[in-house]
Amino acid sequence: GAVVSQHPSRVICKSGTSVKIECRSLDFQATTMFWYRQFPKQSLMLMATSNEGSKATYEQGVEKDKFLINHASLTLSTLTVTSAHPEDSSFYICSASHGTGTGELFFGEGSRLTVL
Amino acid sequence: KQEVTQIPAALSVPEGENLVLNCSFTDSAIYNLQWFRQDPGKGLTSLLLIQSSQREQTSGRLNASLDKSSGRSTLYIAASQPGDSATYLCAVTYGKLTFGQGTILTVHP
Repeated sequence: GAVVSQHPSRVICKSGTSVKIECRSLDFQATTMFWYRQFPKQSLMLMATSNEGSKATYEQGVEKDKFLINHASLTLSTLTVTSAHPEDSSFYICSASHGTGTGELFFGEGSRLTVL
Repeated sequence: KQEVTQIPAALSVPEGENLVLNCSFTDSAIYNLQWFRQDPGKGLTSLLLIQSSQREQTSGRLNASLDKSSGRSTLYIAASQPGDSATYLCAVTYGKLTFGQGTILTVHP
């Protein structure tokens, strides 16, 4: 099956710093990638839809200046958490569509962000 | 607004039992439905994908059914094993992907 890789898997940072998370489709091209956030014992919440070569579409309530998304190529999307605060601590997961028309999504392993 | 509900929230069974996880959704105009598995602290693994025109999909000991008109899907796991312990999520696609809250499954030896 299609492989989506996320990096880093875990990151700890100080409050006020920025953190970048990468999402790569390793063996297929993904014109669209999705970023989710998951709080402990809760389901995934869609943050934004990332389209290659254009601005991301953010869900209601998600601060676009806080969570910067860049989709510069067909295999890479990045999420940057700017001026991170403890409440940004969460599990962030990306996904990409294989593009075969089935609509099946493949997910990265996730990135655990802890802001001290 | 699409809402996805999963029942039960948690399930604990002895090894070898057959079990059923339930998923319901409020808007039947979906493109497809997927079942995922999530291990603690990990990403999601796609288990089964059912297109809106399909009734069921099978993979090994897993069988998922879809009744779009009633807004329901079930995931059947046969002969459960301790390695099946995980959180199982269903999600529907209707323009965007909406997840249920998940069912935490524990299979004890």
